[in-house]
Amino acid sequence: AQRVTQPEKLLSVFKGAPVELKCNYSYSGSPELFWYVQYSRQRLQLLLRHISRESIKGFTADLNKGETSFHLKKPFAQEEDSAMYYCALSGGGKLIFGQGTELSVKP
Amino acid sequence: DVKVTQSSRYLVKRTGEKVFLECVQDMDHENMFWYRQDPGLGLRLIYFSYDVKMKEKGDIPEGYSVSREKKERFSLILESASTNQTSMYLCASSPYPSGLAGSTGELFFGEGSRLTVL
Repeated sequence: AQRVTQPEKLLSVFKGAPVELKCNYSYSGSPELFWYVQYSRQRLQLLLRHISRESIKGFTADLNKGETSFHLKKPFAQEEDSAMYYCALSGGGKLIFGQGTELSVKP
Repeated sequence: DVKVTQSSRYLVKRTGEKVFLECVQDMDHENMFWYRQDPGLGLRLIYFSYDVKMKEKGDIPEGYSVSREKKERFSLILESASTNQTSMYLCASSPYPSGLAGSTGELFFGEGSRLTVL
């Protein structure tokens, strides 16, 4: 069965500190993974996808098939990174989301 | 710019009422989705549709139905609202004509409809 797990409900860091939001998945095929972000009072939007291997707003995520993980990382957090982050897995024509992690970056 | 519009931002209904949530997208996308968003549970897929008049159950379809009479419009229906259906409902669309196989690609979301059932 497809499943996405984000073990942390809330992650609180200080500005300038490194950030890692964890995501583990379960999928029998070749996974396609995404990170979505929802800033306060804004709609949910795509942050990045693993196939692009890109850095968006300083965030990167590497797919580790051995550990079935797709953790989101940023070396130096900014206050404007405070938001709700969702990891998502695509398969079977649908997108399955994790429970979400709220990132709070304190000044 | 893709626009997904949900007609009602906030609704308050009573237990047992029939509720319609409307969603319209203006980019001729094939796939449309309805999710509910609850704290600690994330987004859970209710129904999705990959073509007009086609619908597929998601992970939590019980108590819901959907209608897709036109490509641009996807409606979520609560036949008899209950208090445990109080939630934020998100509509999304995707341009990829994948049907039931393959990737959804990027989803474009509406602003959400917050439903309270008393």
